[in-house]
Amino acid sequence: QSALTQPRSVSGSPGQSVTISCTGTSSDVGGYNYVSWYQQHPGKAPKLVISDVNTRPSGVSNRFSGSKSGNTASLTISGLQVEDEADYYCCSYAGTSTSVLFGGGTTLTVL
Amino acid sequence: QVHLVESGGALVKPGGSLRLSCAASGFPFSDYYMIWIRQAPGKGLEWVSYISGSDALTNYAHSVQGRFSVSRDNAKNSLYLQMKSLRVDDTATYYCARSVWGTPPDFWGQGTLVTVSP
Repeated sequence: QSALTQPRSVSGSPGQSVTISCTGTSSDVGGYNYVSWYQQHPGKAPKLVISDVNTRPSGVSNRFSGSKSGNTASLTISGLQVEDEADYYCCSYAGTSTSVLFGGGTTLTVL
Repeated sequence: QVHLVESGGALVKPGGSLRLSCAASGFPFSDYYMIWIRQAPGKGLEWVSYISGSDALTNYAHSVQGRFSVSRDNAKNSLYLQMKSLRVDDTATYYCARSVWGTPPDFWGQGTLVTVSP
């Protein structure tokens, strides 16, 4: 299966909101409510910021929110802060044969 | 708290073998699927393999099928990835991660670097 589709880059100013999309198919994003989002700073391991489409793990800022419509999931970061600048990856369950698929990643720049 | 620590990464020549390990702590290890994910330098994330809690179920990405083998020792809270016939394009940081029933992982280790070069 192909990777999920994300925009290569997005940008915003401090205080603004940005939304990152993640498009798959009915066999992955559209078929299950198991979409997660990860934040990765350079040289660091990915960190979970959203699970199960729209669940924030304990300790993650409420500025991060997730949603899904059809085959496209979205991550919205509101009140942008400089420390939000990072790469973001979506990940969807895709059935027992494939397990999970990742998006290609989106670089967020906070201007 | 949940802690995952990978080890075993090294520089190896094409065609060589390597065994990665992942030590887990802070959770009931045998209750969780475990997943190996890799990230080539400057590239995105790629699922490599998963193994169920009882190790009855395993699966692999097409790119590593037949060359890599995942296993676990629940008594030692450890996960392994045996890699054979390594190729230059296997060069990556390899992460182990915890998963509920094979769904997207929630906790990741810090990764271990595997470099395959002549």
